[in-house]
Amino acid sequence: EVQLLESGGGLVQPGGSLRLSCAASGFVFSSYAMSWVRQAPGKGLEWVSSISESGGSTNYADSVKGRFTISRDNSKNTLYLQMNSLRADDRAVYYCAKLGTTVVTPITNWGQGTLVTVSS
Amino acid sequence: QSVLTQPPSVSAAPGQKVTISCSGSSSNIGNNFVSWYQQLPGTAPKLLIYDNNKRPSGIPDRFSGSKSGTSATLGITGLQTGDEADYYCGTWDSSLSAWVFGGGTKLTVL
Repeated sequence: EVQLLESGGGLVQPGGSLRLSCAASGFVFSSYAMSWVRQAPGKGLEWVSSISESGGSTNYADSVKGRFTISRDNSKNTLYLQMNSLRADDRAVYYCAKLGTTVVTPITNWGQGTLVTVSS
Repeated sequence: QSVLTQPPSVSAAPGQKVTISCSGSSSNIGNNFVSWYQQLPGTAPKLLIYDNNKRPSGIPDRFSGSKSGTSATLGITGLQTGDEADYYCGTWDSSLSAWVFGGGTKLTVL
């Protein structure tokens, strides 16, 4: 069974940093692309970033480009999202998501999400 | 403003059928596969339909998907109160090099 367990969310001040982690199990992590998707309170889904199975290719939404960095450690079956220069509108539940074999394939599994709150 | 356009809400009675539309452009729906996700209140989204019309194992055949040109449609028959949820369409946008979602449609089963 595919399991995706996010951690690292919490309260951070505007301009601060946070690193999210996603521990994956139940599948061959190194064979699949991965993504982060967020959902602001009461709002819809917003794709944040994707990374290829090897980590050699990444994509970002314009809203986070230059501030967020996605990475993965295939030896640890873990996906990361480094978030810098956080703003109030970054407040959301952040979901770790498993794609197919490439970044253009659909999200097949979602984690339970971790809440990030940006406030002074 | 979402790249993909969905109606904010739809409703129907138990046992009836409902369709949810998702409109895009040639850079997304027109040239890429569409998937649909169900988000029950307070939970993470779940894959309902992928590659326009395929259902993952465990998804009942009451749920169906179709695509024509730059639009896609999710159909749900035999509505149940447990189907009340937010539904999102999603696809890759080749021009943006980004995944895009619709704004979501809230289904109410009256």
